[in-house]
Amino acid sequence: EIVLTQSPDFQSVSPKEKVTITCRASQSIGSSLHWYQQKPDQSPKLLIKYASQSFSGVPSRFSGSGSGTDFTLTINSLEAEDGATYYCHQSSSLPHTFGQGTKVEIK
Amino acid sequence: QVQLQESGPGLVKPSQTLSLTCTVSGGSISSGSYYWSWFRQPAGKGLEWVGRIYTGEGTNYNPSLKSRVTISVDTSKNQFSLTLSSVTAADTAVYYCARDPYSSTAIWGQGTLVTVSS
Repeated sequence: EIVLTQSPDFQSVSPKEKVTITCRASQSIGSSLHWYQQKPDQSPKLLIKYASQSFSGVPSRFSGSGSGTDFTLTINSLEAEDGATYYCHQSSSLPHTFGQGTKVEIK
Repeated sequence: QVQLQESGPGLVKPSQTLSLTCTVSGGSISSGSYYWSWFRQPAGKGLEWVGRIYTGEGTNYNPSLKSRVTISVDTSKNQFSLTLSSVTAADTAVYYCARDPYSSTAIWGQGTLVTVSS
């Protein structure tokens, strides 16, 4: 099973600042890495698929990069509505797995 | 616009079988080739992939659930289902259904809470 490790676990950030969340895979997964945003009592929302492809309707301030074992989600110019938990998710091999999540708090 | 809605008992007794249904509205479950998937999330914890069924074809399950899980499609009802047998308190979670969860056609349901308790 591929283990995904996110860092940091928690980040407190002021609006308009830049947020960077990393996800490291225990073995190479190519570009089969996806990012989700989840707010309390809501279902996960796909932000980025296959490492760097934006899902339809996602604001351009969200971007993803990386391949192999190291991936990054970047939120440029954080907005108040971006307070949420962010998860990475790999679909390279079964079972599909998730990172433990990174909670982003708005200061 | 296609939407997914989970339904099923909110309370299941230990050792019994959990059965959930995901109803597809706004489109046919038979149109196109999609992965119909289930995920779960215990309160305050992270997401776990439960398994998936590919339209008209095979299934894949999380080995952590061993032989307890079954996912099936009922095209006549435009639904797909999850059954999990021999449940314990560890199976208490919000269960989500999704279509192609990481593709351009990704759609997720709102989730349904299932509590395992006597």
